[in-house]
Amino acid sequence: EVQLVQSGAEVKKPGESLKISCKGSGYSFTSYWIGWVRQMPGKGLEWMGIIYPGDSDTRYSPSFQGQVTISADKSISTAYLQWSSLKASDTAMYYCARHLTVVTTDAFDIWGQGTMVTVSS
Amino acid sequence: EIVLTQSPGTLSLSPGERATLSCRASQSVSSSYLAWYQQKPGQAPRLLIYGASSRATGIPDRFSGSGSGTDFTLTISRLEPEDFAVYYCQQYGSSPTTFGQGTKVEIK
Repeated sequence: EVQLVQSGAEVKKPGESLKISCKGSGYSFTSYWIGWVRQMPGKGLEWMGIIYPGDSDTRYSPSFQGQVTISADKSISTAYLQWSSLKASDTAMYYCARHLTVVTTDAFDIWGQGTMVTVSS
Repeated sequence: EIVLTQSPGTLSLSPGERATLSCRASQSVSSSYLAWYQQKPGQAPRLLIYGASSRATGIPDRFSGSGSGTDFTLTISRLEPEDFAVYYCQQYGSSPTTFGQGTKVEIK
């Protein structure tokens, strides 16, 4: 079964760092782009960026460039999303998702279960 | 970036009725790279339609997508109880990929 399994919910304070993960299984992890999507409480979906685990080629939305870092470790089939200094406005559900095919621009057909990040003092 | 505007914001319908959801783009979506997703409370989105009109694996044929250029439509021919949810369109033809703000389909 093709699946993405994300790390568990996090509660952090403003200014702290955080790295959440997304582990792929059931397919060739290095062949498909993986993206991250933010959903703030009660709001819609926002595309943050994508990474190609085969060579770590990464693309960011201008809205998120410089705010987060997307990375991957192909040896353990895991993608990451990290923050160096969290803000309260980073409170959201974060989903990882896999591209439908191996091309750079595509829809997302496989989604992780989401990781809820809460930033509060 | 391409802005996607979905309408209506909320659609109140009864089971068995037809639902027509609209997604309008601020610029032409290249190669009809337009997808539709369904999201239920507490769940991740699920891909319904890609390439404007192709159904994803396992999606019932009551879901259909159409359109090109700047105007796209998701049609649910006869609403089943499990179809009441929020629906999002996404364009992936131009970088950055963008999503619409969503249409909620609720039980009347």
